[in-house]
Amino acid sequence: DAGITQSPRYKITETGRQVTLMCHQTWSHSYMFWYRQDLGHGLRLIYYSAAADITDKGEVPDGYVVSRSKTENFPLTLESATRSQTSVYFCASSDAASGRYSYEQYFGPGTRLTVT
Amino acid sequence: QQPVQSPQAVILREGEDAVINCSSSKALYSVHWYRQKHGEAPVFLMILLKGGEQKGHEKISASFNEKKQQSSLYLTASQLSYSGTYFCGSSSGGYQKVTFGTGTKLQVIP
Repeated sequence: DAGITQSPRYKITETGRQVTLMCHQTWSHSYMFWYRQDLGHGLRLIYYSAAADITDKGEVPDGYVVSRSKTENFPLTLESATRSQTSVYFCASSDAASGRYSYEQYFGPGTRLTVT
Repeated sequence: QQPVQSPQAVILREGEDAVINCSSSKALYSVHWYRQKHGEAPVFLMILLKGGEQKGHEKISASFNEKKQQSSLYLTASQLSYSGTYFCGSSSGGYQKVTFGTGTKLQVIP
């Protein structure tokens, strides 16, 4: 049972390049989320999705694009990477009926992205 | 707007108790608590829903004051394994979209 996975785990890219971070979950959870984590800011929501083909902005969506053509995948694309997008990115999933307690979010292991 | 957590950091000796507070400027539907150990992903602890409390852990409990838009996490008889950063999250327009605070770093020492 793989759960929720992210790839790559580490990525170094140059300013201006396009980068795609992948997220895959095996539970068929309806909700998926992308967060970025920076020192002093905690976890900030970038985008989320309530189901395939339904996405919505979070707190810090600028510079990011998402898509969700299949329930299990939720890729995050940085169209033109900037140094300010250097961060740790976490993907999460949840479902109203998941876990022992409703609305629990399951986080992936994270992707550490460095933009030079 | 992110909820505000206090304290930002705390050091405890094993067996001591601690309280972490979380307050929001918005009316809340629910409060979510997560713990993150260094280099790992956040892990769910519990959720408290408007109109009721839902506990998710043996020695960690929480309260939710809807009128004051505040929640507190209570750690009893702390263990070394409790060390980590605790995040509260709030939702004000449904239970799924959560806005997290900046975290409280807790260190338990022998």
